[in-house]
Amino acid sequence: GENVEQHPSTLSVQEGDSAVIKCTYSDSASNYFPWYKQELGKRPQLIIDIRSNVGEKKDQRIAVTLNKTAKHFSLHITETQPEDSAVYLCAASRRGSSASKIIFGSGTRLSIRP
Amino acid sequence: DGGITQSPKYLFRKEGQNVTLSCEQNLNHDAMYWYRQDPGQGLRLIYYSQIVNDFQKGDIAEGYSVSREKKESFPLTVTSAQKNPTAFYLCASGAGTDLGQPQHFGDGTRLSIL
Repeated sequence: GENVEQHPSTLSVQEGDSAVIKCTYSDSASNYFPWYKQELGKRPQLIIDIRSNVGEKKDQRIAVTLNKTAKHFSLHITETQPEDSAVYLCAASRRGSSASKIIFGSGTRLSIRP
Repeated sequence: DGGITQSPKYLFRKEGQNVTLSCEQNLNHDAMYWYRQDPGQGLRLIYYSQIVNDFQKGDIAEGYSVSREKKESFPLTVTSAQKNPTAFYLCASGAGTDLGQPQHFGDGTRLSIL
């Protein structure tokens, strides 16, 4: 079946440094790639997303890049802060399909060292 | 952000017991989902429903059952047939029947075995 692989599973960075999380998807028809942030014991919340017709999208300190040819997309967090510590989940789906479900990656636990 | 309410927050199950997790949404969303989350893993889809009185099995439906009698409600029953039910359970919803669109999550129910 279709799947999304996410790396690394854990990531520790110094406060102020950048963090990069990468995901690879298998369904070449995927056209929508959301990223969710999940704080400990809380609900996942959508933080940024990108559609297949763009290569990059930024929102303040976070950005997502997409390489359709290689079928991978990445989350970039710059100037990391303690409140960035959380589990980040990537996902891939076919927007506009009533039959194709969204597929989540296995998650990355990001820790920001003070 | 509100919209999806899960209860209870914590639940304990005895051997051989069925337990039901509640999920209610007031977002007028058509689609609803149940996910299971284990430590170090992403979200695995248990069941989903796109319209009232209809639901489909996800990737790990064995040992679980659902109903969708009302648009607002999508309860999940963890039956005694589910031998390893300890996990964090997340309910989600999405507008329309497009399964690929972003999802809104509840705060989750943590189920443990007594």
